[in-house]
Amino acid sequence: DGGITQSPKYLFRKEGQNVTLSCEQNLNHDAMYWYRQDPGQGLRLIYYSQIVNDFQKGDIAEGYSVSREKKESFPLTVTSAQKNPTAFYLCASQTQGKANYGYTFGSGTRLTVV
Amino acid sequence: AQKVTQAQTEISVVEKEDVTLDCVYETRDTTYYLFWYKQPPSGELVFLIRRNSFDEQNEISGRYSWNFQKSTSSFNFTITASQVVDSAVYFCALSEARDDKIIFGKGTRLHILP
Repeated sequence: DGGITQSPKYLFRKEGQNVTLSCEQNLNHDAMYWYRQDPGQGLRLIYYSQIVNDFQKGDIAEGYSVSREKKESFPLTVTSAQKNPTAFYLCASQTQGKANYGYTFGSGTRLTVV
Repeated sequence: AQKVTQAQTEISVVEKEDVTLDCVYETRDTTYYLFWYKQPPSGELVFLIRRNSFDEQNEISGRYSWNFQKSTSSFNFTITASQVVDSAVYFCALSEARDDKIIFGKGTRLHILP
């Protein structure tokens, strides 16, 4: 079945460490997105990519980095520069230029700083 | 600028009652798309409906119905005869036709009490 796979489901990070969240899709979608969800804050866009080897910052990109070397993969690195990384992270995808049909979401990664 | 407001942070109703979730949006575009997503406790966002700005017909799908009114910039969601399985966070979202991104409201947490 086609879909988006996020891993791991739960992730713990020590302060000062970088961690990478995985997002893989087999939907042949061109565009991929990373959102952060905090209680009561809704979903906020971190980064998005509309094509391989290209990506754009969203509203809260500071302290995060991404890469898009393959169409299927869009990993997110939470760097030590992100001061408050504890949150729920959601990856989404869609066919290029078809934002209007809505996203397909992964099941999320819950990151906790310990 | 585009914006989505879900004024109801949290709602609790007893099972079998009807409940309406409010959504008000702002956009300067004449062509745009509205969405509702459901986020159950598992975390994944599930697509419920998409509506374009040229179609103001109300939509009904089983116990779910949506009322789109351009005059008041609202896209409200009603669950009839609610069930415990309807308990979730519900997000309203907006996408302008010229933009690949979707903007989400902060969500309404719905509790259906047995």
